[in-house]
Amino acid sequence: AQSVTQPDIHITVSEGASLELRCNYSYGATPYLFWYVQSPGQGLQLLLKYFSGDTLVQGIKGFEAEFKRSQSSFNLRKPSVHWSDAAEYFCAVGTSGSARQLTFGSGTQLTVLP
Amino acid sequence: GAVVSQHPSRVICKSGTSVKIECRSLDFQATTMFWYRQFPKQSLMLMATSNEGSKATYEQGVEKDKFLINHASLTLSTLTVTSAHPEDSSFYICSAGVTGPGADTQYFGPGTRLTVL
Repeated sequence: AQSVTQPDIHITVSEGASLELRCNYSYGATPYLFWYVQSPGQGLQLLLKYFSGDTLVQGIKGFEAEFKRSQSSFNLRKPSVHWSDAAEYFCAVGTSGSARQLTFGSGTQLTVLP
Repeated sequence: GAVVSQHPSRVICKSGTSVKIECRSLDFQATTMFWYRQFPKQSLMLMATSNEGSKATYEQGVEKDKFLINHASLTLSTLTVTSAHPEDSSFYICSAGVTGPGADTQYFGPGTRLTVL
């Protein structure tokens, strides 16, 4: 069975600083990987996804993520954080062949200081 | 594109009553929809997978008689919490799957906050 680990429960950064959120996965085959963002009381918005090809994936809102098979990681990055980026971020892995069974990490809460 | 709506966004009900939550894919057809439950400060827990025209597949530990799921069309799935109790209070989120070659993705609704008194 697949699993996802987000080691950082809470991260605080200053506005304008760079950001990296960590995600490690465990899955026997080639994973489908996703990053979602959730604002308080809201559903999840897809930031980006990786299925195959270029291991550096660009997403919305200036986010990018890099798939590193050797490290079983899919870390999310942003060069300059904005106050509106404060939210909960979830990494997820989908089973081979579809995203029909997603396993989510426990989430990382991002606080942005002015 | 790929917008999913949920209704209602918030519901308060008395213990013992039933509550229906609707999930709609607004601009695409979804053969598969998913229902999740999220407790405060926690991640999403998959409750069931719903395929249009067939019975839902429930995750282990989820009572199918308590959480009735109907996926009557390619754009609508409903979750009915029957005989709700305070422990059923939670944030329920649905998602709809967009499938295609290398393009399988779930798009999520805004969630429904259920409070059972």
